[in-house]
Amino acid sequence: GAVVSQHPSWVICKSGTSVKIECRSLDFQATTMFWYRQFPKQSLMLMATSNEGSKATYEQGVEKDKFLINHASLTLSTLTVTSAHPEDSSFYICSAGRQGASTDTQYFGPGTRLTVL
Amino acid sequence: GESVGLHLPTLSVQEGDNSIINCAYSNSASDYFIWYKQESGKGPQFIIDIRSNMDKRQGQRVTVLLNKTVKHLSLQIAATQPGDSAVYFCAESSSNSGYALNFGKGTSLLVTP
Repeated sequence: GAVVSQHPSWVICKSGTSVKIECRSLDFQATTMFWYRQFPKQSLMLMATSNEGSKATYEQGVEKDKFLINHASLTLSTLTVTSAHPEDSSFYICSAGRQGASTDTQYFGPGTRLTVL
Repeated sequence: GESVGLHLPTLSVQEGDNSIINCAYSNSASDYFIWYKQESGKGPQFIIDIRSNMDKRQGQRVTVLLNKTVKHLSLQIAATQPGDSAVYFCAESSSNSGYALNFGKGTSLLVTP
């Protein structure tokens, strides 16, 4: 149990376009979902925390108008990178906290590789 | 700000040997610690966790030690296997931060036959 999926697993897009990444909890309900970004050979950096039905909380330095997060249901959160540029190329990873459990238990998705040309 | 860091960026061990990966943290309010394994191109995989009311926890071939006095965390892997080759991250969280995870820099473990 506690499987998290992401779609797509990789995407290549042109500069200026928007890209949507989905994060789904497949066999449990996720009260909270987290979005991380990881550059090559670096650690995961938390971008934002989203709770179902409310606005996401963004970390300092993360532009909320550029990285739109929607957590419309207990099993789905989406991250939209708007007007993507090459510097947005990164590995984006989501995690989900299981409803009913302590929110410090997070289950990670497999990640989405974004390449902006 | 508070940070979580690792002492060694790379570690090379021979198959069958024990591995020890270290991590230092600075947030005295941290109360939950986790070790993750990440293979290339994949998401982090949970290995083992420990709460601040414990100083040792054992899993299958892995042991996590927590020293709150010096804010140090270690992961011990017994009888290291080639499949253990990956990057290992420690992460910490606290109830103060809403349990958002703060990841360390990572240690690359290479297991040679």
